[in-house]
Amino acid sequence: ELKVEQNPLFLSMQEGKNYTIYCNYSTTSDRLYWYRQDPGKSLESLFVLLSNGAVKQEGRLMASLDTKARLSTLHITAAVHDLSATYFCAVSTSGTYKYIFGTGTRLKVLA
Amino acid sequence: DVKVTQSSRYLVKRTGEKVFLECVQDMDHENMFWYRQDPGLGLRLIYFSYDVKMKEKGDIPEGYSVSREKKERFSLILESASTNQTSMYLCASSPGLSSEKLFFGSGTQLSVL
Repeated sequence: ELKVEQNPLFLSMQEGKNYTIYCNYSTTSDRLYWYRQDPGKSLESLFVLLSNGAVKQEGRLMASLDTKARLSTLHITAAVHDLSATYFCAVSTSGTYKYIFGTGTRLKVLA
Repeated sequence: DVKVTQSSRYLVKRTGEKVFLECVQDMDHENMFWYRQDPGLGLRLIYFSYDVKMKEKGDIPEGYSVSREKKERFSLILESASTNQTSMYLCASSPGLSSEKLFFGSGTQLSVL
């Protein structure tokens, strides 16, 4: 059974600091997604990672994928309050309809 | 701008009622999904559909059914609502078989009293 684990589940950090969210998955998967959810809102796609070693960056967020370790990271650089949200990773396999989500990491950036 | 629209943002229903949650997408996507989101459990797949009139069970289909009569519309039906179905329901869509990213609707917060 494909499982996706994120850690930490909760993260409170000061503005200006760096931190990393980890996403581990249990079986082979060739696609890894990161989503952001603001309180009371729906999920918005951040990144899609398709191959081993893939790295994508958008502003203060950078995502990477290591398919051999079955690990993706979401790195936050010099956090700002606007990044406060819940971040989900999800995996799927090409040609299937199934997306498995992690439980989410709730990030709070303190001014 | 692409859109997945869920008909209700908030719903309050009574135990035993039949509940319809509607979802419409304007992107001509083949695949549509219904998830429920609960604190600490993330998103769990209830049902998905890969074509008109085609549907498959997800991980937690019990107590739910779905209908897809037109490509753009995917309905979730709670035949007899129960309190443990109080949750946030999210509809999503994606194109084709390529496992592209999901596009989500804004969600329906359902409370069953």
